[in-house]
Amino acid sequence: EDQVTQSPEALRLQEGESSSLNCSYTVSGLRGLFWYRQDPGKGPEFLFTLYSAGEEKEKERLKATLTKKESFLHITAPKPEDSATYLCAVQAASGGYNKLIFGAGTRLAVHP
Amino acid sequence: NAGVTQTPKFRVLKTGQSMTLLCAQDMNHEYMYWYRQDPGMGLRLIHYSVGEGTTAKGEVPDGYNVSRLKKQNFLLGLESAAPSQTSVYFCASSPYSPGRGSSNYGYTFGSGTRLTVV
Repeated sequence: EDQVTQSPEALRLQEGESSSLNCSYTVSGLRGLFWYRQDPGKGPEFLFTLYSAGEEKEKERLKATLTKKESFLHITAPKPEDSATYLCAVQAASGGYNKLIFGAGTRLAVHP
Repeated sequence: NAGVTQTPKFRVLKTGQSMTLLCAQDMNHEYMYWYRQDPGMGLRLIHYSVGEGTTAKGEVPDGYNVSRLKKQNFLLGLESAAPSQTSVYFCASSPYSPGRGSSNYGYTFGSGTRLTVV
């Protein structure tokens, strides 16, 4: 069964304290891995798509990386405005092109 | 540019009542999706559409119906609401099916409908 697991469930950082969020997956053929940011009371906002192991993408203080078993979202020198829930989703070959499997998310709180 | 608009934002239903959630997008996207989000669980796909006039079942379709009569609108209906359908519902759209090619794009989500069934 295709699965996506995110860890930790919650993370508290001081402003400027870099860290990483993990998304591990077991799927039958990865077509794509997606990262989203979700603020309270809002819908998820697209961040990155990664397609193959070794691929990396960056946006401001965020950097996403992908291996054959997991993805990391690295947050460098975070600011309070980076506080949000970060969601990981995968598209598996078994699910067809239109089905994403989402993890439960990591709630990030960055304190000044 | 409104993106994806969901109405209503909040609703309380009694068990057995029916209702329709409306999703409208102004980006001319082909693909539209309905998800539900529950505490401690990931977003789960209810139904989706790959174009006007088409619908297909997702992961958790029971108790829901959908229609896509116009390209810009995707309706989610609850036939007979149950407390287990208490959730936050999100609509999303995409110009292409995700994972096709190397384009760096994803779904555009609406802001959600918080539904409580009592």
